[in-house]
Amino acid sequence: DAGVIQSPRHEVTEMGQEVTLRCKPISGHDYLFWYRQTMMRGLELLIYFNNNVPIDDSGMPEDRFSAKMPNASFSTLKIQPSEPRDSAVYFCASSLMGQGYYNSPLHFGNGTRLTVT
Amino acid sequence: GQQVMQIPQYQHVQEGEDFTTYCNSSTTLSNIQWYKQRPGGHPVFLIQLVKSGEVKKQKRLTFQFGEAKKNSSLHITATQTTDVGTYFCAGGRGGKLIFGQGTELSVKP
Repeated sequence: DAGVIQSPRHEVTEMGQEVTLRCKPISGHDYLFWYRQTMMRGLELLIYFNNNVPIDDSGMPEDRFSAKMPNASFSTLKIQPSEPRDSAVYFCASSLMGQGYYNSPLHFGNGTRLTVT
Repeated sequence: GQQVMQIPQYQHVQEGEDFTTYCNSSTTLSNIQWYKQRPGGHPVFLIQLVKSGEVKKQKRLTFQFGEAKKNSSLHITATQTTDVGTYFCAGGRGGKLIFGQGTELSVKP
């Protein structure tokens, strides 16, 4: 049973470049979440989708960040232009139901470690 | 804003010693979830608590949800080197899951 799949695992890019992170959720999960993890801020929810529709993007840092979910099996998080302070591990997670509901744990992907120089 | 505070931030123990991490919320939670993240890995779901005063056990791990549903704890008995990692609590409220900052556990053999 495949889990949440993220690519790439590592991304090193120069400041100003566009970065696209990809995620394939677990089949049948209606919710998809993008998190960012840093030492300073911990795990931050950036945005989440329900049935491919963005529900809450209040955690997206600024206009340089955008996320899409064109279908139930694929989502992207794009940063354009990237900045050094965007360096972090970005996790995608999926769940059957919404966050915090009973019996709806989050299944995280392996993450993408982004380094912007 | 809504916050879930977790203490301590770090804990270093000798193998065989016990370990406890605490989670506190300023508001009532609908449920609490616990996750473990191994070094270099991703958070992995451990358990969910829903009822006031609920206690659940998984082998050497004991999870508690407070009577007021505002706090929770994870206790590990007789730690092993395989317990190394960061333990996160995540409180559910208003359809959102708010993660604590995590407690990083290191175990000296």
